[in-house]
Amino acid sequence: DGGITQSPKYLFRKEGQNVTLSCEQNLNHDAMYWYRQDPGQGLRLIYYSQIVNDFQKGDIAEGYSVSREKKESFPLTVTSAQKNPTAFYLCASRSGRSYNEQFFGPGTRLTVL
Amino acid sequence: SQQGEEDPQALSIQEGENATMNCSYKTSINNLQWYRQNSGRGLVHLILIRSNEREKHSGRLRVTLDTSKKSSSLLITASRAADTASYFCATRGPTGANNLFFGTGTRLTVIP
Repeated sequence: DGGITQSPKYLFRKEGQNVTLSCEQNLNHDAMYWYRQDPGQGLRLIYYSQIVNDFQKGDIAEGYSVSREKKESFPLTVTSAQKNPTAFYLCASRSGRSYNEQFFGPGTRLTVL
Repeated sequence: SQQGEEDPQALSIQEGENATMNCSYKTSINNLQWYRQNSGRGLVHLILIRSNEREKHSGRLRVTLDTSKKSSSLLITASRAADTASYFCATRGPTGANNLFFGTGTRLTVIP
C-alpha cells in the first residue's frame, strides 16, 4: 500500500526542547517537502529536498533543520530557536516524472506547552 | 511573493448548488493546481491546468485559467455535503525550482 506517512499525529513539547517529526514515503519519489500551516492559513515552505543528500531552505527555514540520508525519509527537527513552533506540519513528496503534483502526508500537529 | 490568494475566504451553500472559488496570483506561472484539505488532514491534489490551457474538467470539477488576469477559478457542480473542505490553489513558477506556492484557501461548507 503506497503512500506517505507522518508520525506522530499529535506531539507536545515543552519550551526549549528540540523535537523531530518523521516523514516516510514508499512512492519512490525523488523530491520531498516540509510545510507549516497555521490556523486558517495557507501552507508555507520550510525545507525541500530534490534528491538524496541534498536539501534547500524554503521561505521560513529559521529554527528548523532537516536531513535526507535516504530517499524514503525526510525528518524535520524543530529546534528551540523556533520562536513560535505550535502549528500543523505537513510533509509532501513528488515524483520527478510527474508534472509537479505533490502527494501529502496526514500531518503532525505540534503543540508547545 | 508569488503566493496566490483565494476568494472568497469562506463560502456556504446548500447541497446541490454550484460552488465557485477564485484564485489570483502575482507572477507568471508554468501551471496552476487545486488541492483540497479536509479539516486536520493532509492535502489532496484535485486538478492541474497548464499555462497554455484555458479550461479543464474532471468529473464535477471545472477549472479555468486566465493568464492575462493572473487568475483561476474552480467550479464544483451539484455540490454534496462531502465536498465540505478547504480548497487551495498552488502555482509553479515558469523556470527553476519545482516548488509550489500555495494560496490562503477557501473554506467551503455544503449544508445538507
